[in-house]
Amino acid sequence: AQSVAQPEDQVNVAEGNPLTVKCTYSVSGNPYLFWYVQYPNRGLQFLLKYITGDNLVKGSYGFEAEFNKSQTSFHLKKPSALVSDSALYFCAVRGRSNDYKLSFGAGTTVTVRA
Amino acid sequence: NAGVTQTPKFQVLKTGQSMTLQCAQDMNHNSMYWYRQDPGMGLRLIYYSASEGTTDKGEVPNGYNVSRLNKREFSLRLESAAPSQTSVYFCASSEGGKVNEQFFGPGTRLTVL
Repeated sequence: AQSVAQPEDQVNVAEGNPLTVKCTYSVSGNPYLFWYVQYPNRGLQFLLKYITGDNLVKGSYGFEAEFNKSQTSFHLKKPSALVSDSALYFCAVRGRSNDYKLSFGAGTTVTVRA
Repeated sequence: NAGVTQTPKFQVLKTGQSMTLQCAQDMNHNSMYWYRQDPGMGLRLIYYSASEGTTDKGEVPNGYNVSRLNKREFSLRLESAAPSQTSVYFCASSEGGKVNEQFFGPGTRLTVL
């Protein structure tokens, strides 16, 4: 079975400070990993993904994430947070079997204060 | 492109009533998905359709049925609604294959009284 853990329900940072949202995963074999963002009353929007290759993945809106196989982690980062980054963030994992299922974490609410 | 569209946006049902949630995508994607989102639980997969003509159960299929009407449309039916089905429902689509990201609709907020 595959699963994702997002250990922090909420992350609060000041605008201009670095932002980190943590994610760890469990899956058989090598994973496909994704980050999505959800703004209030909207559907999820894709931010970035790790498939293979470079462990540092760059995505939309200045976000990046680092894949760490030994720690089974895929933390989302942004060097300088904006108030507009305030949203709900989801990490998701999929194994490399024939299964099409994508497993999501419970989500982390990010609040960036001005 | 409208992307993924869902109707209705809001719905209130009484226990035992039935309804169908509609989803359509205009991106020519092969795969489509139905999720439910509940507070503190992330998104859970109800059903998915890897390609036109096929459907498979996800994590929480009980109480739901789906129809992949054609490549564009994937509907979710609640035959006899229960309060436990109060949730926000999202439809998504992807090009198919495991490496491709999913594109989500705006959601349907369903309340079952």
